[in-house]
Amino acid sequence: DVKVTQSSRYLVKRTGEKVFLECVQDMDHENMFWYRQDPGLGLRLIYFSYDVKMKEKGDIPEGYSVSREKKERFSLILESASTNQTSMYLCASSLSGQPNTEAFFGQGTRLTVV
Amino acid sequence: GNSVTQMEGPVTLSEEAFLTINCTYTATGYPSLFWYVQYPGEGLQLLLKATKADDKGSNKGFEATYRKETTSFHLEKGSVQVSDSAVYFCALSDLESNSGYALNFGKGTSLLVTP
Repeated sequence: DVKVTQSSRYLVKRTGEKVFLECVQDMDHENMFWYRQDPGLGLRLIYFSYDVKMKEKGDIPEGYSVSREKKERFSLILESASTNQTSMYLCASSLSGQPNTEAFFGQGTRLTVV
Repeated sequence: GNSVTQMEGPVTLSEEAFLTINCTYTATGYPSLFWYVQYPGEGLQLLLKATKADDKGSNKGFEATYRKETTSFHLEKGSVQVSDSAVYFCALSDLESNSGYALNFGKGTSLLVTP
């Protein structure tokens, strides 16, 4: 069974902390993505990566960075957490090569910054 | 740039009612279109997809047809069940855009089906 695993379901962090959200996929997918989901705003793309060590900014990259040292792992980093980064974070992965390739999502990490 | 617009929710229906959730898009290229569903407490999962004009995606009784002339991909189901209660997201991917394989989502439509 294909799987995208996010390291935490719930996190509570303090303002100013450095926060790491981890995502691992076991499908040998080239593409990996980080989205945040907020009520009334849907899912917005933060960063994505099509290969190891490669990263591209999405629509809302400010305040975030990413790391992809291995093909199966894609980390989202909040350099200095702020309350406006309280949100649900969703990781996804997909294969390259087909325009209609399906993206597989993790369960999400609900982050609260206090 | 690319965008997806779907009808505002929440939508409340009685069991066995007919469902339509409208979705329209704008795209610079020739996108693939998707419907994803998110059940309470879970991540998103693919419901159906279509790659080219007049393609019909279908799954679990849900259908959507890729209409290039109206830039639409409306989701329909003839008879909804309580278990269909979820949030539904319309999305597109456009390999000709800067974001390539990344999905561009609508804001989501919450569906509640009552017995």
